[in-house]
Amino acid sequence: RKEVEQDPGPFNVPEGATVAFNCTYSNSASQSFFWYRQDCRKEPKLLMSVYSSGNEDGRFTAQLNRASQYISLLIRDSKLSDSATYLCVVRTGRRALTFGSGTRLQVQP
Amino acid sequence: ETGVTQSPTHLIKTRGQQVTLRCSSQSGHNTVSWYQQALGQGPQFIFQYYREEENGRGNFPPRFSGLQFPNYSSELNVNALELDDSALYLCASSLEQGRDEQYFGPGTRLTVT
Repeated sequence: RKEVEQDPGPFNVPEGATVAFNCTYSNSASQSFFWYRQDCRKEPKLLMSVYSSGNEDGRFTAQLNRASQYISLLIRDSKLSDSATYLCVVRTGRRALTFGSGTRLQVQP
Repeated sequence: ETGVTQSPTHLIKTRGQQVTLRCSSQSGHNTVSWYQQALGQGPQFIFQYYREEENGRGNFPPRFSGLQFPNYSSELNVNALELDDSALYLCASSLEQGRDEQYFGPGTRLTVT
């Protein structure tokens, strides 16, 4: 079983739609959680950290459920520029980051 | 831009050859991590260097090795290249080991033929 699992997609949505991505992680000792965005043939960039209380950054909302070992990302009012691969990322202790395989989003006009 | 640079940007090698990839971390960052990203996959952790010492290693064979220099720049060396080593190699720097923020460079795309 992979440490971090995501639905690979692709998610094809029209502009203005709301889309949700889910992710599960297997190590209950994981301490930090993130969503990274990766554009085609570019490096991953931190989109947002994920906290137990949930957090929001503009159109993006992230949620963490430690009991279920589940992380989500909600994107409201999708823009064409949101088209990218979204990577769910977990850090356990002082170890480096563990990435999911990514969920590809394509926003269509 | 993150301030993390990598060279070269692209590289083509033949199976069995050796390759060295380089990374300059963001100013003031003393921790560098290397990742391998195969097509369609998320990045996989290779190893991490903190103040010139290897500080953790992922599930990669010994032919993957590295160095970190006093200025905190780093090298990734891969010996006896295999076709499956074809991937995007990313380095990421952070202020201290275990800090949440990791800043990625643009990567080196390695093709092994």
